[in-house]
Amino acid sequence: EVQLVQSGAELKKPGDSLKISCKGSGYNFNPHWIVWVRQLPGKGLEWMGIIYPSDSDTRYNPSFQGQVTISADKSISTAYLQWSSLKASDTAMYFCARLIITDTHVDYWGQGTLVTVSS
Amino acid sequence: QSALTQPASVSGSPGQSITISCTGTNSDVGGYNFVSWYQQHPGKAPKLIISDVSNRPSGVSNRFSGSKSGNTASLTVSGLQAEDEADYYCSSYAGGNSLVVFGGGTKLTVL
Repeated sequence: EVQLVQSGAELKKPGDSLKISCKGSGYNFNPHWIVWVRQLPGKGLEWMGIIYPSDSDTRYNPSFQGQVTISADKSISTAYLQWSSLKASDTAMYFCARLIITDTHVDYWGQGTLVTVSS
Repeated sequence: QSALTQPASVSGSPGQSITISCTGTNSDVGGYNFVSWYQQHPGKAPKLIISDVSNRPSGVSNRFSGSKSGNTASLTVSGLQAEDEADYYCSSYAGGNSLVVFGGGTKLTVL
């Protein structure tokens, strides 16, 4: 069974750094793109960026370029999303998901990681 | 890249059919047959229900169907059931740096 299991909820202060994770299992992790998706409270879905774990080829939505860093460790089938300095406006649910690059549909989703940034 | 346009809400009674539209441009919806639809229940992750405009993944009810005409894609839910009450999002390949664009989402209420 394909699964993407994300790290737990985080409560951080503005200016803090953070790295959340997404571990894949039940399939060959490396040759499948992973996408990170943001969902602001009560709002819709936004793709942030994608990564190909096999060679760490990474592409960012221009709206998120420079705001976050996406990485992966193929040896442990895990992708990451990190911030160097969080802002209150980063408060959101973050999903990782498996992206089928040929037609850009997402077939499997992680359960989501809620990030709350508050002083 | 602007989000695809979806109605904020639609509603229907059990057993009825509803259609949710998703309007883009010829740079996304109209330019490719790469439209997907996702269902999201409150507090849950989205779930893929349609890919490639009209392809229904294994395990998804055949009450869900997708189509496209020009720059507008549509999701039809027939034989509405209470469990269909959820938010629905469309997405499309948009090419270049934009890669993917999502719709703003539609809340389906089963009356």
